[in-house]
Amino acid sequence: DAGVIQSPRHEVTEMGQEVTLRCKPISGHDYLFWYRQTMMRGLELLIYFNNNVPIDDSGMPEDRFSAKMPNASFSTLKIQPSEPRDSAVYFCASSLGGATYEQYFGPGTRLTVT
Amino acid sequence: GNSVTQMEGPVTLSEEAFLTINCTYTATGYPSLFWYVQYPGEGLQLLLKATKADDKGSNKGFEATYRKETTSFHLEKGSVQVSDSAVYFCALSDRSGGYQKVTFGTGTKLQVIP
Repeated sequence: DAGVIQSPRHEVTEMGQEVTLRCKPISGHDYLFWYRQTMMRGLELLIYFNNNVPIDDSGMPEDRFSAKMPNASFSTLKIQPSEPRDSAVYFCASSLGGATYEQYFGPGTRLTVT
Repeated sequence: GNSVTQMEGPVTLSEEAFLTINCTYTATGYPSLFWYVQYPGEGLQLLLKATKADDKGSNKGFEATYRKETTSFHLEKGSVQVSDSAVYFCALSDRSGGYQKVTFGTGTKLQVIP
């Protein structure tokens, strides 16, 4: 299996622009997680899905952030409009259901908003 | 709610030194426990896990034992190498409201010097 795939790997954009991050989970996994990592705040869970349905979005920082999972093999995280404080590495992870199963992380998207 | 507390870093060791990174947790149920490792520029990856009390997880010379009585899951390695330099995350996973819920610690950076 190719693992969790994220695109793009790097994104540089100007403040006010829309940014869309993409994720393809491991086939057969029914959980998908979006995280944000910064030096100041560490690793933060933004939102997670089970069987394509959002379960907990309490970590989404504000209305500028939205996430969708239209099918089992694709998810997007959108920021509109972007701000410099959104600069971070965004990770997508997937897992099988059940507490004993580990998460598999993608390589991340490094977002820089100027 | 659930929480994971791990020792603050950075931890700096000489090659071949003994490593301990402390991790304690708070959970209402019977969680599974994990250690993840993040190498520079990469996503997190599973290092080891334990799914019930007294289980020992091990991988690549690292070990951790699930201690229910002390609610701990300390990571140990007998002889570290320069290649072990990374950030280590302790995490727990359990079921909450019918869904898998994962809680990460803040991470401990390890630097091994030759």
